[in-house]
Amino acid sequence: GQNIDQPTEMTATEGAIVQINCTYQTSGFNGLFWYQQHAGEAPTFLSYNVLDGLEEKGRFSSFLSRSKGYSYLLLKELQMKDSASYLCAVSAWGGATNKLIFGTGTLLAVQP
Amino acid sequence: ETGVTQTPRHLVMGMTNKKSLKCEQHLGHNAMYWYKQSAKKPLELMFVYNFKEQTENNSVPSRFSPECPNSSHLFLHLHTLQPEDSALYLCASSQDRGSGRPGEQYFGPGTRLTVT
Repeated sequence: GQNIDQPTEMTATEGAIVQINCTYQTSGFNGLFWYQQHAGEAPTFLSYNVLDGLEEKGRFSSFLSRSKGYSYLLLKELQMKDSASYLCAVSAWGGATNKLIFGTGTLLAVQP
Repeated sequence: ETGVTQTPRHLVMGMTNKKSLKCEQHLGHNAMYWYKQSAKKPLELMFVYNFKEQTENNSVPSRFSPECPNSSHLFLHLHTLQPEDSALYLCASSQDRGSGRPGEQYFGPGTRLTVT
């Protein structure tokens, strides 16, 4: 079956670094996305990994290991505005379209 | 208007009411999706439309009825809902062909639905 696991909640301090892990089991893997969702708003794209390794974009980085079915999102120099839910989603070919299979999302609270 | 828009943003309805949610995408995408988002649960894919044709129905109860008149508009018609249907309903769109990031979806802000 298809399964995505990530912690449901995390807390971190402003200025610190936090790592949000995601493990997955899927067939037809076509890449892994991280989305950010502030309360009451649309999920917005953060990163995409399809090959193993680290993708860095400013304060945010995302890592993928396909052999381990594992990804993480790394947030550096945390700011209060980073308080949001972070959604891990695997893209898998569904026969007619690519489908996104989501984890529960990790609600990150950044404290002063 | 840009991106994906949804109306209304908030909706309160009784179990005997009939209402509709609307989604519009201004991105020229060919696929559109309805999701249900409940607290501490993964996004649940409800329906998928590709070039106006329904390609997926994830065993959604018949009290939810989708409609896709063209590639830019998607509706979700609601009738005789239950309190457990209260959730955030998200619409998304994607361009499946020729995308550098296969499966990438663009989301609307959602409709917060409360069934009383």
